[in-house]
Amino acid sequence: NAGVMQNPRHLVRRRGQEARLRCSPMKGHSHVYWYRQLPEEGLKFMVYLQKENIIDESGMPKERFSAEFPKEGPSILRIQQVVRGDSAAYFCASSPPLTGRDYNEQFFGPGTRLTVL
Amino acid sequence: KNEVEQSPQNLTAQEGEFITINCSYSVGISALHWLQQHPGGGIVSLFMLSSGKKKHGRLIATINIQEKHSSLHITASHPRDSAVYICAVRSYNTDKLIFGTGTRLQVFP
Repeated sequence: NAGVMQNPRHLVRRRGQEARLRCSPMKGHSHVYWYRQLPEEGLKFMVYLQKENIIDESGMPKERFSAEFPKEGPSILRIQQVVRGDSAAYFCASSPPLTGRDYNEQFFGPGTRLTVL
Repeated sequence: KNEVEQSPQNLTAQEGEFITINCSYSVGISALHWLQQHPGGGIVSLFMLSSGKKKHGRLIATINIQEKHSSLHITASHPRDSAVYICAVRSYNTDKLIFGTGTRLQVFP
């Protein structure tokens, strides 16, 4: 059973370009979380998605950032018109559907390191 | 004040030493995670716990819900244990994880 996969692992963009980060959850997992780690800072929650639904996007910047988790395919975190301050490591995590427990463990991907020139 | 505080921020040890990293939190939680992050690397979940104590190899995690405090212990530390250790709590009312800023551990041979 492959773990959470993220690609690309490293992404370089110039200011104003778009960045697309992909996350394939573990097999059988229907919940995806995106986190951002700015240089020398801790991890911060961005968004929580289930298949075709955004459950909680309270950590997403109001502009330029969007996320989706379609019925088929990976979850995508999209950053439009990137700026230097978007340079960070972006991690996704996945968890299985709830089965009576009120919480399932999250499994993290290797991260995508975005550098904006 | 951060909702999750870790101490110490940095820790150096000699190989073989017993290590303790502390985490205090100020919100009601349903679970607490200990995570490990190697330089430039991904994040590995070490433990998820909501009460008591868990042990995995040389690692032990404890939590005291009443005192809102958790500790991660490493017995017989080894240079390969060098990493950043992150405490994260799941707020009782949400599915969001709230992270501490991490403890950077270096173990020297």
